[in-house]
Amino acid sequence: DIQMTQSPSTLSASVGDRVTITCRASQGIDNWLAWYQQKPGKAPKLLIYKASSLESGVPSRFSGSGSGTEFTLTISSLQPDDFATYYCQQFNSYFGGGTKVEIK
Amino acid sequence: QVQLVQSGAEVKKPGASVKVSCKASGYTFSSYTMHWVRQAPGQRLEWMGWIKAGDGDTKYSQKFQGRVTITRDTSAITAYMELSSLRSEDTAVYYCARSLLGEPWYDYWGQGTLVTVSS
Repeated sequence: DIQMTQSPSTLSASVGDRVTITCRASQGIDNWLAWYQQKPGKAPKLLIYKASSLESGVPSRFSGSGSGTEFTLTISSLQPDDFATYYCQQFNSYFGGGTKVEIK
Repeated sequence: QVQLVQSGAEVKKPGASVKVSCKASGYTFSSYTMHWVRQAPGQRLEWMGWIKAGDGDTKYSQKFQGRVTITRDTSAITAYMELSSLRSEDTAVYYCARSLLGEPWYDYWGQGTLVTVSS
């Protein structure tokens, strides 16, 4: 199985900060990667698919990049609504361990 | 609008089975795959399996093979996930989520169903 490792596991940031989350795959997965946002008690929400394609309705401050084994999710200017946990997911439906974005 | 509405919370004893439903609306059911994903308290999301709503083809995670059964009723526009031989470690929120046929990402999710396994 291809393992997905996210870093950091927790990130403290302030409103307006640029935030970057990394996801590494144990084997190359081309661009078959998605990013989700999850808030407490809620279902995950798709943000990015195919590594860099923005899901309809998702603010443009979210962006994704990478291919092969290393991927990043960037929030260009963190907003109050963005404090949540973020997960990456590879094509075989396995998820990373999550990155919790907290208020600094 | 697309909606996936799941059945309510369940409390089960170890060794029992649970069946969770996911009623779809707002889209062509047969054109999508329905996945089941669970999340134990404080844990990562864990894929359990999928069913192609059109032809009923299924695939299961090796971890749950033999214990999970995913079915669908096209007339009821509903997918089901049954998990047997429950143990305390199966306590989790169970989600259904749809993906377009051939794509691995989930664009709509159900609200989640808490299954608690306790003696």
